[in-house]
Amino acid sequence: AQKVTQAQTEISVVEKEDVTLDCVYETRDTTYYLFWYKQPPSGELVFLIRRNSFDEQNEISGRYSWNFQKSTSSFNFTITASQVVDSAVYFCALSGVTQGGSEKLVFGKGTKLTVNP
Amino acid sequence: DADVTQTPRNRITKTGKRIMLECSQTKGHDRMYWYRQDPGLGLQLIYYSFDVKDINKGEISDGYSVSRQAQAKFSLSLESAIPNQTALYFCATSDFTGEAFFGQGTRLTVV
Repeated sequence: AQKVTQAQTEISVVEKEDVTLDCVYETRDTTYYLFWYKQPPSGELVFLIRRNSFDEQNEISGRYSWNFQKSTSSFNFTITASQVVDSAVYFCALSGVTQGGSEKLVFGKGTKLTVNP
Repeated sequence: DADVTQTPRNRITKTGKRIMLECSQTKGHDRMYWYRQDPGLGLQLIYYSFDVKDINKGEISDGYSVSRQAQAKFSLSLESAIPNQTALYFCATSDFTGEAFFGQGTRLTVV
């Protein structure tokens, strides 16, 4: 069975602080995809990144960076120099891949990030 | 136009009523999903469909049913709504990797 754990329910930081959101996953599939989504207060779900299980290179996009470590089954998300606009709920998600294609997309419970001015 | 459109966006209904939430997508993907979001519980999968003839139960399917009318359409029904089905409902479609495109959500209140 697939499972995604986001142990941090809520995080509160002051603007310009760096913050890391943790994501630990479980899957028996050797091929899988990992995702991060952002849900701002307006409620929509915004795709941030997709990684496949064969690509462990860290990725940086502006102030956002992702650290994927298969050895610890983790896919952590860091925001550098946080801003108030980063305040949102962030979800980590996983889909395994079998011969028939990708399996269902499973989400963690989310981490609510509040960035205070 | 949005890639995934949900109707209605907001709905208040009475306990015991049957209600249908509709979803259509223009991405051309085969995979479609219905999720429910409650505060602190993240996104829970209700049903998912990998093609028109394929319907699968998710984690919390009791009290819900779905219909995949076409590749682009996937509707969710509450046969007899109850107050603890008050939640935010999301429809999504994904490509073969599972990368999902979400609708704007339907806020359902059962009184």
